[in-house]
Amino acid sequence: AQSVAQPEDQVNVAEGNPLTVKCTYSVSGNPYLFWYVQYPNRGLQFLLKYITGDNLVKGSYGFEAEFNKSQTSFHLKKPSALVSDSALYFCAVRSDYKLSFGAGTTVTVRA
Amino acid sequence: DAGITQSPRHKVTETGTPVTLRCHQTENHRYMYWYRQDPGHGLRLIHYSYGVKDTDKGEVSDGYSVSRSKTEDFLLTLESATSSQTSVYFCAITKDSTWYGYTFGSGTRLTVV
Repeated sequence: AQSVAQPEDQVNVAEGNPLTVKCTYSVSGNPYLFWYVQYPNRGLQFLLKYITGDNLVKGSYGFEAEFNKSQTSFHLKKPSALVSDSALYFCAVRSDYKLSFGAGTTVTVRA
Repeated sequence: DAGITQSPRHKVTETGTPVTLRCHQTENHRYMYWYRQDPGHGLRLIHYSYGVKDTDKGEVSDGYSVSRSKTEDFLLTLESATSSQTSVYFCAITKDSTWYGYTFGSGTRLTVV
């Protein structure tokens, strides 16, 4: 079965510092990986996806993610975090038209 | 979110009563999903549909049923609501391809008292 794990419940960073949200995956076959963000009282919004090709994927709002096949990781990154990036982030893997989500990581960016 | 709406947005119901949540899409997408979101669990799949009258169970389907009589509507029913079903419920849609992720609705916050 496909699954993802987000090892950190919370990540706290200062505004302007780099932000990393970790995700590891377990799949059979080629992984289709996604990152979503959820702001308070809202649905999930798509950030980026990895299907194939370049290991560095660029997405919305200045976010990027690095696919690492040997470490089975797909970490989300932003070079310079903003207070407005404070939200709940989910990693997900797709299989047979279904997405399986990690438990989520709450990111807090302090001014 | 564009193209997908959930109703109601909030609902409080009593234990043992039936509850139906509605998901409506205008994108003509084939696949529709119901998830529940609970702290520490992320999103867990309840049921999904791959076409009109074609549905299947997800990982937490006990106590829930679904119906899809039209492409645009996917209904989630709690036959007899329990307190453990207090949660935020999200509907999602996707195109008929593994290249796409989901588009999510804004969610329904259900409280069972």
